[in-house]
Amino acid sequence: GQQVMQIPQYQHVQEGEDFTTYCNSSTTLSNIQWYKQRPGGHPVFLIQLVKSGEVKKQKRLTFQFGEAKKNSSLHITATQTTDVGTYFCAGPWGNKLVFGAGTILRVKS
Amino acid sequence: DAGVIQSPRHEVTEMGQEVTLRCKPISGHDYLFWYRQTMMRGLELLIYFNNNVPIDDSGMPEDRFSAKMPNASFSTLKIQPSEPRDSAVYFCASTTSGYNEQFFGPGTRLTVL
Repeated sequence: GQQVMQIPQYQHVQEGEDFTTYCNSSTTLSNIQWYKQRPGGHPVFLIQLVKSGEVKKQKRLTFQFGEAKKNSSLHITATQTTDVGTYFCAGPWGNKLVFGAGTILRVKS
Repeated sequence: DAGVIQSPRHEVTEMGQEVTLRCKPISGHDYLFWYRQTMMRGLELLIYFNNNVPIDDSGMPEDRFSAKMPNASFSTLKIQPSEPRDSAVYFCASTTSGYNEQFFGPGTRLTVL
């Protein structure tokens, strides 16, 4: 079946530093979705990428979808304490989503 | 819209007891998913429904787990009998199609002693 792998598992950064998490799929994806889960909270949808090579920005967050539609990345510029949480990527497999294991981001102020 | 509603938010029970978790999806969403989240195993899909019909229950760990969706606005996940290893956060999510964003409920934190 489809597998979605994320790296790193965990990252601890100083406030103001940049952060990147990477997602790789074992198969070509029709789209890739990104979710954020705050500590003690639930996953919340951030964005969906559909086109090969697509780049989307949300303020300090930049999302990319690879040319082969098998990988994606989320980059946060100048992290803030409000960015803490777990970031998940997810790819559709039939009518369900396969989630990566997530990257836990901690920010030191 | 109130979003996906789950109850209870917290449940503490003793091993061997029956546990029932409840979910109300967003109105108009045809798909409902039950997930379990633990530190060790991450976010696992247990089962999902389309138009109230169970489509894929391959993630249900054992016969002790069962799920129903008697109508479009209500679903239950039952564990009987519960065991300590069932302790986790259980999320319900709904969406309009398998390819679209999923809306998660706040989750039920289950502790089995």
